[in-house]
Amino acid sequence: DAEITQSPRHKITETGRQVTLACHQTWNHNNMFWYRQDLGHGLRLIHYSYGVQDTNKGEVSDGYSVSRSNTEDLPLTLESAASSQTSVYFCASGDRVRRNEQFFGPGTRLTVL
Amino acid sequence: DAKTTQPNSMESNEEEPVHLPCNHSTISGTDYIHWYRQLPSQGPEYVIHGLTSNVNNRMASLAIAEDRKSSTLILHRATLRDAAVYYCILGGGSQGNLIFGKGTKLSVKP
Repeated sequence: DAEITQSPRHKITETGRQVTLACHQTWNHNNMFWYRQDLGHGLRLIHYSYGVQDTNKGEVSDGYSVSRSNTEDLPLTLESAASSQTSVYFCASGDRVRRNEQFFGPGTRLTVL
Repeated sequence: DAKTTQPNSMESNEEEPVHLPCNHSTISGTDYIHWYRQLPSQGPEYVIHGLTSNVNNRMASLAIAEDRKSSTLILHRATLRDAAVYYCILGGGSQGNLIFGKGTKLSVKP
């Protein structure tokens, strides 16, 4: 069955380190998204991609970057991790035609000490 | 982006219908109305979406007001597994960006 996976599921890192969170989908979806969710809040869009070599900034993109070298993967990089980036990160993908339905991964809980 | 207003929390009894309201008075003509839900410790899950007409699927029904300034998600028979945060989201745009609010936390009592 097609799916979307994230790794690692839990990560503890130190301030200033570079961290990369992986997102892999086997739906063959063109659209992929990264969100963060902080306690008591809804999800906020970080970056998104509409296809290979395409990336766009979302609402809270500062301190994050993404690259899309193939259809299946959209890794999220924190260039220099900060304590304010402690959060749960969700990756999602969606079809270009049925664009109203996004499929979400299980999330990565990141703690920056 | 158009905003939505939802109650912070609602309670329901198991096996009874639940009506989750959403106000979106600044909706544009091209905005779709989406509902997602998030169960504890999981990623959000698509529930339903619509544009103008009422919609039904295996999970729920979506009733859209004639002026599109409000909508209601209807769970016909709530189960304990329906306890979640329900998000009403406008947009979809040209490619599917979603702007999440804080949602409604639904509690279901046995």
